[in-house]
Amino acid sequence: DAGVIQSPRHEVTEMGQEVTLRCKPISGHDYLFWYRQTMMRGLELLIYFNNNVPIDDSGMPEDRFSAKMPNASFSTLKIQPSEPRDSAVYFCASSRTGINIQYFGAGTRLSVL
Amino acid sequence: KNQVEQSPQSLIILEGKNCTLQCNYTVSPFSNLRWYKQDTGRGPVSLTIMTFSENTKSNGRYTATLDADTKQSSLHITASQLSDSASYICVVSAGNNNDMRFGAGTRLTVKP
Repeated sequence: DAGVIQSPRHEVTEMGQEVTLRCKPISGHDYLFWYRQTMMRGLELLIYFNNNVPIDDSGMPEDRFSAKMPNASFSTLKIQPSEPRDSAVYFCASSRTGINIQYFGAGTRLSVL
Repeated sequence: KNQVEQSPQSLIILEGKNCTLQCNYTVSPFSNLRWYKQDTGRGPVSLTIMTFSENTKSNGRYTATLDADTKQSSLHITASQLSDSASYICVVSAGNNNDMRFGAGTRLTVKP
């Protein structure tokens, strides 16, 4: 299996622009998680899905952030409009069993100028 | 205040030496505790997961311990290798297992 695939690996954009991060989970995994990691705050859970349905989005920082999972093999995290403080590494993870055993993608490094 | 505190923040050791990383938590009610290894530029990879009844669990040269009474966990690395250089993150789950709390991580550097 190719593992969790995220794209792009790096994204540089200007403040105010829309940013879309993509994730393909491992086939057969029913859970999908989006995380943000910064030096200041460490790893933070933003939202997670089970069977394509958002279960907990309490970590989504504000209305500028939205996540969708239109099918079992694809999810997006969108930031509109982006701000410099959104600069971070965004990870996607998937799991067959829930939050305990998660497999992480390589991450997308976002820089908002 | 973070409910999961890791120490030290960073650590430098020589190849072949042992080291121990600490994780103290105040998360309650406790469900389980996980240790992740994160290489630079990569996503975290699970090393161990421990529930309330488990005191120790090993994964190769990595051994995790858990004292649920004192709410402390440690990750011991034996005979360190250069490839052990990474950040180690402690994650504690609470309640119905859907509430995760993350430590800030310990940055380990193994030098030749």
